[in-house]
Amino acid sequence: NAGVMQNPRHLVRRRGQEARLRCSPMKGHSHVYWYRQLPEEGLKFMVYLQKENIIDESGMPKERFSAEFPKEGPSILRIQQVVRGDSAAYFCASSKDGLNTDTQYFGPGTRLTVL
Amino acid sequence: DQQVKQNSPSLSVQEGRISILNCDYTNSMFDYFLWYKKYPAEGPTFLISISSIKDKNEDGRFTVFLNKSAKHLSLHIVPSQPGDSAVYFCAASARMGASYGKLTFGQGTILTVHP
Repeated sequence: NAGVMQNPRHLVRRRGQEARLRCSPMKGHSHVYWYRQLPEEGLKFMVYLQKENIIDESGMPKERFSAEFPKEGPSILRIQQVVRGDSAAYFCASSKDGLNTDTQYFGPGTRLTVL
Repeated sequence: DQQVKQNSPSLSVQEGRISILNCDYTNSMFDYFLWYKKYPAEGPTFLISISSIKDKNEDGRFTVFLNKSAKHLSLHIVPSQPGDSAVYFCAASARMGASYGKLTFGQGTILTVHP
């Protein structure tokens, strides 16, 4: 029973390039959450998606960041025109029913480095 | 606005003794609390959770205590083992309102268990 998968594990981009981070939830899970961890900080919520719907994007920066969870395929977090401040670990989590008492299981993360 | 706080950045404990990690929260809408453990370069791993209708939940060596009036929870690990050395995050979610569905994390406490 595979857990949450994320790829790539490490991503290096130059300023101004685009970064695409992928997340495949656990089998049977239809709710996906993205979190960002900046150096020396805790995880911060970014966006909550269900298949083909964005439920809550209150943690997403207003510009350059977007997320999707299509009917088929993984969830994608897209960062356009990356800047050095985007360097962080990006974690995806999934849950089965989306209830607040539903445990969120995390993937291994994608470490983004912007040169 | 740090709604979940872990005021101890680090804790050092001798193997076999009890580790007590603390967490305070300010949002009275939080009603479900979780502890995650995180090793470097990995994603958070779920440890144990507690609903606000309980004041204690136990799972093997891990026990979580919730004091709703004080808005405080703690994780007890007994006996502590060197393999428990990791960063521990407290997280909270709400059954309604702006915090529904998403987890709000504390800053983390680095636990070191010495042999």
